[in-house]
Amino acid sequence: GESVGLHLPTLSVQEGDNSIINCAYSNSASDYFIWYKQESGKGPQFIIDIRSNMDKRQGQRVTVLLNKTVKHLSLQIAATQPGDSAVYFCAEPHSGAGSYQLTFGKGTKLSVIP
Amino acid sequence: DTAVSQTPKYLVTQMGNDKSIKCEQNLGHDTMYWYKQDSKKFLKIMFSYNNKELIINETVPNRFSPKSPDKAHLNLHINSLELGDSAVYFCASRNLGQDNGYTFGSGTRLTVV
Repeated sequence: GESVGLHLPTLSVQEGDNSIINCAYSNSASDYFIWYKQESGKGPQFIIDIRSNMDKRQGQRVTVLLNKTVKHLSLQIAATQPGDSAVYFCAEPHSGAGSYQLTFGKGTKLSVIP
Repeated sequence: DTAVSQTPKYLVTQMGNDKSIKCEQNLGHDTMYWYKQDSKKFLKIMFSYNNKELIINETVPNRFSPKSPDKAHLNLHINSLELGDSAVYFCASRNLGQDNGYTFGSGTRLTVV
């Protein structure tokens, strides 16, 4: 099965509220994760990443938390805005035999209610 | 300037036809990919090329044939299109040594009727 997945496929939040998007992974050896945002009609765009030697990483209005004990990570968006409406993916790079690829989770659709 | 550009953006075609999707990146990246996104938004890798050499070929029907004339281009040719090929296809590129340095195109929505 997939090594990266999501708990919630859809999430609706009120503008101004905080959003939390969750992701579970199965490989305890995983050491690097990336969050992507995909707006309608566009390709995924990098938001933030985190390595396994960190529990938390902050960006502008976004924070990623990594809990290695339960193999879970989350993306928190502060003061959610209409422009945050998109599908969010957690992704994990895999490398080996000369290849390097991203494996994506199923995605969570975030809808912001004005 | 568009970093990773795909053409066409939309493609509607009949079953059994052969079609191509083109991808070009002007970032000087070494590696290019094709991903398929289904109706449930699930993204799955199809192919990866590094400096024109095929690196990854996931379980994809051999009706799909990627071609990389140079490291800035990775085209996808699909023979005998089937209804199940309907999806959004994304091209991406990445520079070696940059774990998070993926840049995706805006996708090609293929509809097979």
